[in-house]
Amino acid sequence: QVQLQESGPGLVKPSGTLSLTCAVSGGSISSSNWWSWVRQPPGKGLEWIGEIYHSGSTNYNPSLKSRVTISVDKSKNQFSLKLSSVTAADTAVYYCARVPLYANYYYMDVWGKGTTVTVSS
Amino acid sequence: EIVLTQSPGTLSLSPGERATLSCRASQSVSSSYLAWYQQKPGQAPRLLIYGASSRATGIPDRFSGSGSGTDFTLTISRLEPEDFAVYYCQQYGSSSCSFGQGTKLEIK
Repeated sequence: QVQLQESGPGLVKPSGTLSLTCAVSGGSISSSNWWSWVRQPPGKGLEWIGEIYHSGSTNYNPSLKSRVTISVDKSKNQFSLKLSSVTAADTAVYYCARVPLYANYYYMDVWGKGTTVTVSS
Repeated sequence: EIVLTQSPGTLSLSPGERATLSCRASQSVSSSYLAWYQQKPGQAPRLLIYGASSRATGIPDRFSGSGSGTDFTLTISRLEPEDFAVYYCQQYGSSSCSFGQGTKLEIK
């Protein structure tokens, strides 16, 4: 079955760029799924960051759109997140998740374990 | 942007009792695009319900979802000890997704 694994630096300096990768195993990133990023600040709720299809089509959270880039690398079967101009408010657990294209539904059925990113000097 | 408001913020119940969690949208949401998740401390969210009322694979039938338009409900018929967690609703519309702020279900 499909598994997702996030990776990237756990510490990013303020004003820098947060970069994370989600490796997809047990399936192809070119299958009929959207691939999403979701984050969760400490002690708070879930926030959708954005998503990408293997064709390169993307959708972003309007509140983060100016700072977010999500890309896909089909050769490595992975997708990535870049968040620029980070502040302490971007400190969170970052999850990647799969959104299957199925019968006009929308839900995230497979999640990575999450990776903690702290923004601090 | 559609805002989802969940209530109550915290629900204190005992095992065996029935739990009713509410999710209200700021504008109408397609039922096909309404989902519920359970999250336990230190874990990723787990999909419970999609399409407002369809249980995800492996989810016990004590979990059920209902609703349409702007009002949706997650019901847990008889609480088991492992059901105490935080629950989130999620919607998708106009190429954007949002989550409710969550309801914490705690043991009374």
